[in-house]
Amino acid sequence: DAGVIQSPRHEVTEMGQEVTLRCKPISGHDYLFWYRQTMMRGLELLIYFNNNVPIDDSGMPEDRFSAKMPNASFSTLKIQPSEPRDSAVYFCASSLGAGTGWYEQYFGPGTRLTVT
Amino acid sequence: TQLLEQSPQFLSIQEGENLTVYCNSSSVFSSLQWYRQEPGEGPVLLVTVVTGGEVKKLKRLTFQFGDARKDSSLHITAAQPGDTGLYLCAAQHSGTYKYIFGTGTRLKVLA
Repeated sequence: DAGVIQSPRHEVTEMGQEVTLRCKPISGHDYLFWYRQTMMRGLELLIYFNNNVPIDDSGMPEDRFSAKMPNASFSTLKIQPSEPRDSAVYFCASSLGAGTGWYEQYFGPGTRLTVT
Repeated sequence: TQLLEQSPQFLSIQEGENLTVYCNSSSVFSSLQWYRQEPGEGPVLLVTVVTGGEVKKLKRLTFQFGDARKDSSLHITAAQPGDTGLYLCAAQHSGTYKYIFGTGTRLKVLA
């Protein structure tokens, strides 16, 4: 398997522009997670989906952020309008739900976003 | 609010030395994981512990879950330059599905 695929790997945009980050989870995984990583705040969970349905979006910073999962093989995270404080590395991860309670998340390589 | 504190934040040691990294909280967790992240990549799972007092070994790495399931430690014996990276603990509360990540320990092993 190719693992979790994210695109683009790097994005530089100007404040006020719309940014769309993309993720293809591992085939067969039924959970998908979006994280943001910064030096100041570490790795934060933004939102996660189960079977394409958003389950918990309490980590989404504000209304400028939105995430969708139209099918089992694709998800997007959109920021509109973008601000300099959104600069971070955004990770997508997927997992296979397990009855034991714990599960392994497989992370993508991340998208480094810079908003000027 | 950061629920998981890791210490130390930074650690620079010589090859061959031993080290211990700690992950602490005031909350009880149903499971705890350790990840390693290398520059330009996503975190990779090393181990999951679920039982209080549990000890797991992965080659030169030893992981322990506290008896009360509120804390954990990662011990590396005879560190090697390949161990360099960011070590993250992640914990899951009982009744929830998501994991909360710790503040991270950045380790550098010098040859």
